[in-house]
Amino acid sequence: DVKVTQSSRYLVKRTGEKVFLECVQDMDHENMFWYRQDPGLGLRLIYFSYDVKMKEKGDIPEGYSVSREKKERFSLILESASTNQTSMYLCASSSSGVARYIQYFGAGTRLSVL
Amino acid sequence: AQSVTQLDSQVPVFEEAPVELRCNYSSSVSVYLFWYVQYPNQGLQLLLKYLSGSTLVESINGFEAEFNKSQTSFHLRKPSVHISDTAEYFCALGNSGYALNFGKGTSLLVTP
Repeated sequence: DVKVTQSSRYLVKRTGEKVFLECVQDMDHENMFWYRQDPGLGLRLIYFSYDVKMKEKGDIPEGYSVSREKKERFSLILESASTNQTSMYLCASSSSGVARYIQYFGAGTRLSVL
Repeated sequence: AQSVTQLDSQVPVFEEAPVELRCNYSSSVSVYLFWYVQYPNQGLQLLLKYLSGSTLVESINGFEAEFNKSQTSFHLRKPSVHISDTAEYFCALGNSGYALNFGKGTSLLVTP
């Protein structure tokens, strides 16, 4: 089974802190994604990566950056956390071709910024 | 532009009753359509997919969805729900690029 592991289930940070959310997948997938999930808004794509060191902005990249130095790991960085970044963050991975739409998700990280 | 609309944010239903979760999409090109499910305190997992071929697709736990191109719909149905089906259900569309376009989700609550 594909496994996507997010480093923390719950995280509490202070406004202005630099926050790292880590995601690791074990299926040699080319593509990795970061979403945030908010009630009534569904899933919104922050960034995705289709190869090592390659990244593309999603729908809501402001206030975030990403890093993909190794194929299995995709990090989401909040340079200076703000209260409006309190949310559930979901990481996903997928392989290539039409299977890029069959995404495997981690359990999520619930981030609270105080 | 492409978009996905899930017409109901919440659907309460009694156990063993039938249910339909509605999904409409907007796209000017051919699409791939998906239903993902999120059980409480978990990430999303794929429930079923339409890529091509038969317009009726089924999951292993009794759900089915029908791709209707003329009505631009991909509604999810189950003839008899269980308590364990309580979850958030997301309809999603892919037609270009790498990313899926998700609907806002429908919360299915099954009660005894």
